[in-house]
Amino acid sequence: QKEVEQNSGPLSVPEGAIASLNCTYSDRVSQSFFWYRQYSGKSPELIMSIYSNGDKEDGRFTAQLNKASQYVSLLIRDSQPSDSATYLCAVSGSARQLTFGSGTQLTVLP
Amino acid sequence: DAGITQSPRHKVTETGTPVTLRCHQTENHRYMYWYRQDPGHGLRLIHYSYGVKDTDKGEVSDGYSVSRSKTEDFLLTLESATSSQTSVYFCAISETIPTGAETQYFGPGTRLLVL
Repeated sequence: QKEVEQNSGPLSVPEGAIASLNCTYSDRVSQSFFWYRQYSGKSPELIMSIYSNGDKEDGRFTAQLNKASQYVSLLIRDSQPSDSATYLCAVSGSARQLTFGSGTQLTVLP
Repeated sequence: DAGITQSPRHKVTETGTPVTLRCHQTENHRYMYWYRQDPGHGLRLIHYSYGVKDTDKGEVSDGYSVSRSKTEDFLLTLESATSSQTSVYFCAISETIPTGAETQYFGPGTRLLVL
C-alpha cells in the first residue's frame, strides 16, 4: 500500500512569513510529485509539480524534492491571507494514478 | 477547469436507494477518475477508467460501480447507498502538462448526504 503522509496541522503563520509544508512518501519508484491547493468547499487545484531532486521555484512557491529521503516540501514565501487553504501532496503511480496525502490546513493570520 | 462538470452538485438520499453521479468532460481525455474526500482521509480513489468500457478498481471500490460508454461521460453508481457513503465526490481527468508529466485536474465535486 503506497502511503503519503502529511502533518494535518492546522499550521498558522503570520502574514508575510514563510509557510513550510512537508510530505513523505513510501514508494521509492515514484517519479512525479505534485502540490494541490484546496480552498474550503472547492475542488483541489494544481499549484506545483516537481520531478528532480532539488528546488523548483514558481513565484512565491518553492517545491523541494529529496528522493533519497523520500520527502517533498512546499515553501510559501511572503504568505498572504489568501493562501489560507488545505494543501495536498500527491505522488504519481501506475495507470496515471496519484496517491494523495490527507492534507495540511494552513491559516495565514493578518 | 479542464472542461469537467459533475452532476448533481448536491444530493440528499435515503439509505438503500441507488444513486448515480455523472462526470462529463469536453476535451477527449482518455483517463478519468472518481475520488471521495472525507475529513482526515484526503482523496481516496474509488474507480478509474482508461478508455471507453475500460475501468478498474481503486482503493475504496466496495459498494460502488462505474460505467463509461462514451469518452466524455464517466458514471459512478452507489447500488444501495449507506450512511458511510456520505462524502464529497470528485471526478478527475489525467492530462499531460508542459513538463511531460501526467497530472490530474478535478471537477467541482458532488456533495452527497445519505440519511
